[in-house]
Amino acid sequence: QQPVQSPQAVILREGEDAVINCSSSKALYSVHWYRQKHGEAPVFLMILLKGGEQKGHEKISASFNEKKQQSSLYLTASQLSYSGTYFCGTGSGGYQKVTFGIGTKLQVIP
Amino acid sequence: DAGVTQSPTHLIKTRGQQVTLRCSPKSGHDTVSWYQQALGQGPQFIFQYYEEEERQRGNFPDRFSGHQFPNYSSELNVNALLLGDSALYLCASSFFSGESYEQYFGPGTRLTVT
Repeated sequence: QQPVQSPQAVILREGEDAVINCSSSKALYSVHWYRQKHGEAPVFLMILLKGGEQKGHEKISASFNEKKQQSSLYLTASQLSYSGTYFCGTGSGGYQKVTFGIGTKLQVIP
Repeated sequence: DAGVTQSPTHLIKTRGQQVTLRCSPKSGHDTVSWYQQALGQGPQFIFQYYEEEERQRGNFPDRFSGHQFPNYSSELNVNALLLGDSALYLCASSFFSGESYEQYFGPGTRLTVT
């Protein structure tokens, strides 16, 4: 079953922070976060595995709450380059079938 | 180090034809997954190959088949193309070992069925 992302869209001014949420109705083994710009392939941001609560990548970090079957992506001091669609993907097993949500469109404006 | 590569970049086919898409994984990755991404949607899992065998499959008909070669590269074949098969086809290569897990997408093949 597809994870649910919220919000579906968000507009930020440069320097503002944002949080994108991802929730699943199934027990999760892994949560994947990708960013995709128009006409391009998704770019890997990070993967959180069961047992790991938080991970950071420059000004982008994420948390993983296994009990609530939720993950959140945190974007701090946003830059214009952060614009794109953010996808959350969830894996429920040790193998790597990943089910993606429909994405969150994020636009950073000057 | 080349990342994941796919060919061709774009393809136009006619309904009923067959198509083969190719993928070379990132160095060190042994698993290849194929995804279909329709416009405005997230990638949909087609299937995954590991050690030259299909390990998992999503909800796609048998018209979609694949293969993995000893060098870990992979092909996706689609028979009897339908208009609804028009999409971006993404190959993702990955490596998983206990606590280490990474997955990268290739640039994709844009398939248009007319």
